[in-house]
Amino acid sequence: SYELTQPPSVSVSPGQTASITCSGDKLGNKYACWYQQKPGQSPVLVIYQDTKRPSGIPERFSGSNSGNTATLTISGTQAMDEADYYCQAWDSSTHVVFGGGTKLTVL
Amino acid sequence: QLQLQESGPGLVKPSETLSLTCTVSGGSISSTSYYWGWIRQPPGKGLEWIGSISYGGSTYYSPSLKSRVTISVDTSKNQFSLKVTSVTAADTAVYYCARQSSSGGAFDIWGQGTMVTVS
Repeated sequence: SYELTQPPSVSVSPGQTASITCSGDKLGNKYACWYQQKPGQSPVLVIYQDTKRPSGIPERFSGSNSGNTATLTISGTQAMDEADYYCQAWDSSTHVVFGGGTKLTVL
Repeated sequence: QLQLQESGPGLVKPSETLSLTCTVSGGSISSTSYYWGWIRQPPGKGLEWIGSISYGGSTYYSPSLKSRVTISVDTSKNQFSLKVTSVTAADTAVYYCARQSSSGGAFDIWGQGTMVTVS
C-alpha cells in the first residue's frame, strides 16, 4: 500500500521560515495537499493541487511537489501557525492517503 | 455557505455496526465537481481516510477498511452515510465527513466531527 512519511515534529522561531516535508514514491506524479489542525478542531485545507491556496489562507503558506517529496513552507511563521499539519496524496488509482502528521512548534 | 454535520450514536458495542450520517446544508450534494468522504482520527493519532462517494453512487474505499465499510448517498435528503461492521476498540475515533474535490482530491469543507467510542 502507498505510504507518506512526515517528520513527527518541526520547530521554528517566530518570523522565520518553516518547512514541512512529505515523502512518498513518485509523489510528484500525484496531487498533494496540506491540512492544518489545531487542538479540538477539524482540519483546514491550506494547500491543494500541490501549490494552490484556498480563499482565506494567508500568502505565507506555500507548497511544492516534485520527485518523491512535497513541501509545505510557511514564511514569516506566526504563533497562530502552531498546529499539526497533514499532507495528503491523491490519484485515480491509490485515491486518498494521508501522511502521519507533523507537529509544528513556534518558539 | 456549505456546511456538513455528522450525526449518529456516540457509543457502539464491539462486534456491532457503526452507522453515521452526514447532512449537507447550504448547497446541493448533486454535483459532478465533488465527491463526499469520510475520514476518522483515533484519539491522539493522525487522520485516516475511510472512503468517498460521488452523488451518482460511485464509491472508493480505503483498502484496509474495504471489507467492513459501506458508504451510500441519498440525494433526496442531501445526505450521505457510513456503515462500519464488526467494530472493535480500534474503531474508536472522531469521525469526520467532508467535501472532496473531484479534481485533485482535496477535502475543502469538513464537518465538526463526531466522537464514536466502541465499548
